[in-house]
Amino acid sequence: EDQVTQSPEALRLQEGESSSLNCSYTVSGLRGLFWYRQDPGKGPEFLFTLYSAGEEKEKERLKATLTKKESFLHITAPKPEDSATYLCALNAGGTSYGKLTFGQGTILTVHP
Amino acid sequence: DTEVTQTPKHLVMGMTNKKSLKCEQHMGHRAMYWYKQKAKKPPELMFVYSYEKLSINESVPSRFSPECPNSSLLNLHLHALQPEDSALYLCASGRTGSGIGETQYFGPGTRLLVL
Repeated sequence: EDQVTQSPEALRLQEGESSSLNCSYTVSGLRGLFWYRQDPGKGPEFLFTLYSAGEEKEKERLKATLTKKESFLHITAPKPEDSATYLCALNAGGTSYGKLTFGQGTILTVHP
Repeated sequence: DTEVTQTPKHLVMGMTNKKSLKCEQHMGHRAMYWYKQKAKKPPELMFVYSYEKLSINESVPSRFSPECPNSSLLNLHLHALQPEDSALYLCASGRTGSGIGETQYFGPGTRLLVL
C-alpha cells in the first residue's frame, strides 16, 4: 500500500529563517509527486510536480527536490504570507486511475 | 489559465433537503474529480470522471450523486445528507483523460454544513 508521511506536523519560523519540509514515501512505481499549498477554508493551490529522482523545481522562495524515498520543499527567507498548510501527494502504480495519496500536511507559520 | 470555479461558496442544508454543487473548468481538461475534506485532514477522493464517464467511485454513499453533463461541467447532487457529511467539497480537473501522473488543479471549494 502506498504511504506518504510529512514532517514536521507544524513548523514555526521567523521571517527570513530558511527551512525545509519533508515528504517521505513508500510506493510501487511513482508516477508523480505533487506539492500544494492550502490556505484555511480554500482549495489546494498547485505548486510543483516532480516525476523522477534528482529532479528539482523552483518558484520564488520555494524549491522542491525529489529522491527515490523522499521529497523536500525548501523555503528560503520566508515571509508571513508563506504561512499555510503544505500538502504532499503522489500518484503511484499501485493505486487506481488518477488517485492521489496525500500526506497529512505541514502547517507552516511565519512570524514577522 | 488553470482556473476551476465552484458554486456556491457556502451551503447550509437540512437532512431532508436536496441541493447541488457545481464545478466548471474551461481549460479543455478531460478528467474531473470530486474530493471531500474534513477539518485538519487531507482531501479524500470521492469520484473521478474521465472523458465525461464515471471511472472511479470510491465507495461513496448513494446520497451523493455525481453528474458530468459535458466536458466543462461537473455536478454533485446531494440528498438526505447527515451532519457528518459537513465538510469542504473540492472539485479538481486534470488535462488528460488518463490521470496517470497528472497534475490536478483544484477549485476554491464549497463549504457545506448539514443541520
